[in-house]
Amino acid sequence: DVKVTQSSRYLVKRTGEKVFLECVQDMDHENMFWYRQDPGLGLRLIYFSYDVKMKEKGDIPEGYSVSREKKERFSLILESASTNQTSMYLCASSRGIRNEKLFFGSGTQLSVL
Amino acid sequence: AQRVTQPEKLLSVFKGAPVELKCNYSYSGSPELFWYVQYSRQRLQLLLRHISRESIKGFTADLNKGETSFHLKKPFAQEEDSAMYYCALRGGSWGKLQFGAGTQVVVTP
Repeated sequence: DVKVTQSSRYLVKRTGEKVFLECVQDMDHENMFWYRQDPGLGLRLIYFSYDVKMKEKGDIPEGYSVSREKKERFSLILESASTNQTSMYLCASSRGIRNEKLFFGSGTQLSVL
Repeated sequence: AQRVTQPEKLLSVFKGAPVELKCNYSYSGSPELFWYVQYSRQRLQLLLRHISRESIKGFTADLNKGETSFHLKKPFAQEEDSAMYYCALRGGSWGKLQFGAGTQVVVTP
């Protein structure tokens, strides 16, 4: 089965810090995604990538950037963390252009103090 | 613009009772709809997709284009159905998924 691994389960950072969230998938999937999950808001797409070194903005990209230097790894970067970025971050991957089924990581709960 | 609406934040049902989770969407093209589920302390995972017309764990969902709905139904709820359920829509040329706000289902004995 596909495994999507997020490097940290919990992170606590201070306002203004630069934060890196790492995600690795082991099934050679072309597509990778970063979502944030907030109660009452569901999942909102931050960024996605359909190939190495390619990236596309999702619905809420402000305050975030991403990096995909290798096919299996997709990093989410908070350039200067703010308290409103406290959230659960989910990474996902899928195969092919139709990207029918997303495989999710277990999530990173980020708290920005 | 595409939008997915799940009007119920919380659905509490008794074991053995029917359960229906509502999902309405707005999209100008031909949509593809999905239900994802997250059980306690587990990863979010695909439950079913409308194109498969399948029944998974006793759940079914029918796409009603006239009412722009994709409600999830199960005739007899079980305690293990307690979870967060998300309806999702795929549209657009590339096909990114748009999720609803989610419905928390609690099945009590």
